Amino acid sequence: NAGVTQTPKFQVLKTGQSMTLQCAQDMNHNSMYWYRQDPGMGLRLIYYSASEGTTDKGEVPNGYNVSRLNKREFSLRLESAAPSQTSVYFCASSTGQQETQYFGPGTRLLVL
Amino acid sequence: QKEVEQNSGPLSVPEGAIASLNCTYSDRGSQSFFWYRQYSGKSPELIMFIYSNGDKEDGRFTAQLNKASQYVSLLIRDSQPSDSATYLCAVRPAAGNKLTFGGGTRVLVKP
Repeated sequence: NAGVTQTPKFQVLKTGQSMTLQCAQDMNHNSMYWYRQDPGMGLRLIYYSASEGTTDKGEVPNGYNVSRLNKREFSLRLESAAPSQTSVYFCASSTGQQETQYFGPGTRLLVL
Repeated sequence: QKEVEQNSGPLSVPEGAIASLNCTYSDRGSQSFFWYRQYSGKSPELIMFIYSNGDKEDGRFTAQLNKASQYVSLLIRDSQPSDSATYLCAVRPAAGNKLTFGGGTRVLVKP
C-alpha cells in the first residue's frame, strides 16, 4: 500500500504558466482533499471531493480547478500561476467526510 | 478571530518532561478534534482524535477536551528529542464536514 501519492515533488513555474498537480490513493477512500500550507497559516482547504463525481470549493479556491478523475485520482490545476500560489500543496483522503484524513507527501511549488 | 487558534511557539521542553499544547476553537458546536504531528519538510500524520469531553490516552500522548471552554489540549509525557515537530490541531465544525486547522505549535525537545 503506497497510501496517498503526489506528483511532482517539486516544481518551479513562471508567472502565467499552468500546471496540474496529481494525487492518487490506493486505500479505496471515498473522499479526497487538496490543501495548501503557508508559514504560520496552517493548512487551508482549496477543494474537496466528497465522493467520486462530486467536487466542492473549500476556503481558498480562487485560481484553482480540480478534477476527480475516478475514485483513486484527484488532480489540482493552476491555469495561470501567480507568485501568491507559491506554497506547499498536500493531498489527503479519507473513508468518508467524517473520518480521519491521511496525507500525501506534498508538492513544493515556487512561482517566480 | 481565527476559527482554530494555537500558540505558534516554539515550546521548548527538556527531555523527559511533559509538553503541554493548547488549542482553542470558536465554533461551539464542533464535534470532533484531531491532533496531527508534522516533522519539518514532511506531511502531517495523525496522532489521535477525540470526540467526547474528558481525557483520551494513547501511549505517551493524552488529548483533553473541554467543550464548555472550547479548548482541546495535547500532553506529551516523557518527551523525547524525536517529538520535536510542529503539532497541528484540527477541528470539524458543527456545520459541514471539512476540517479547520490551526496554525500549529512548534515543539523543541532538548536533550
